[in-house]
Amino acid sequence: DTGVSQDPRHKITKRGQNVTFRCDPISEHNRLYWYRQTLGQGPEFLTYFQNEAQLEKSRLLSDRFSAERPKGSFSTLEIQRTEQGDSAMYLCASSADVIRTDTQYFGPGTRLTVL
Amino acid sequence: QKEVEQDPGPLSVPEGAIVSLNCTYSNSAFQYFMWYRQYSRKGPELLMYTYSSGNKEDGRFTAQVDKSSKYISLFIRDSQPSDSATYLCAMRKNNAGNMLTFGGGTRLMVKP
Repeated sequence: DTGVSQDPRHKITKRGQNVTFRCDPISEHNRLYWYRQTLGQGPEFLTYFQNEAQLEKSRLLSDRFSAERPKGSFSTLEIQRTEQGDSAMYLCASSADVIRTDTQYFGPGTRLTVL
Repeated sequence: QKEVEQDPGPLSVPEGAIVSLNCTYSNSAFQYFMWYRQYSRKGPELLMYTYSSGNKEDGRFTAQVDKSSKYISLFIRDSQPSDSATYLCAMRKNNAGNMLTFGGGTRLMVKP
């Protein structure tokens, strides 16, 4: 399977704990995006990388959230001191750097439940 | 007010019906328009991608963009129970970043 993969698929944690999610993009894609989706809503942009550089961050990405993409391959999203409001599906997408036909392909998501 | 509005549904139709899904948007900077299908507890799957105004057809799916009205549509012909899912419209601007702005999704149910 050469699609976007995410790990874990599900994470249950207690409030105050730290969690880390991983995303492996499609191999030839140099752009990687993180989105958050709550129940009944569309995905909301969090941040994006071009290669290893984090180029844009949403105001939704509080200082408890940090994302990295070392070496421009896989990416991690860490949430520190989780809160119940962090419960959501965290989606990763990747795309090739072609402006007219830049299409984002999504992974299956990591569903986070904060108790 | 959200930049992209989409009726949440649910929309229930009999098998074989023609389905019409719509989104309106407020920002004229949006240049690229997409429709994604999302099954329950899965990631969004790209269905259609269009640039600027006009129609695009792919099998049973037709996407329409009317930039003058800031209105986009997705038509599904000969709908099947397997089409039951949430349909998300998404759009992006022609600048660096390419972040997508999504509608809230319309839940579609196709009954056998």
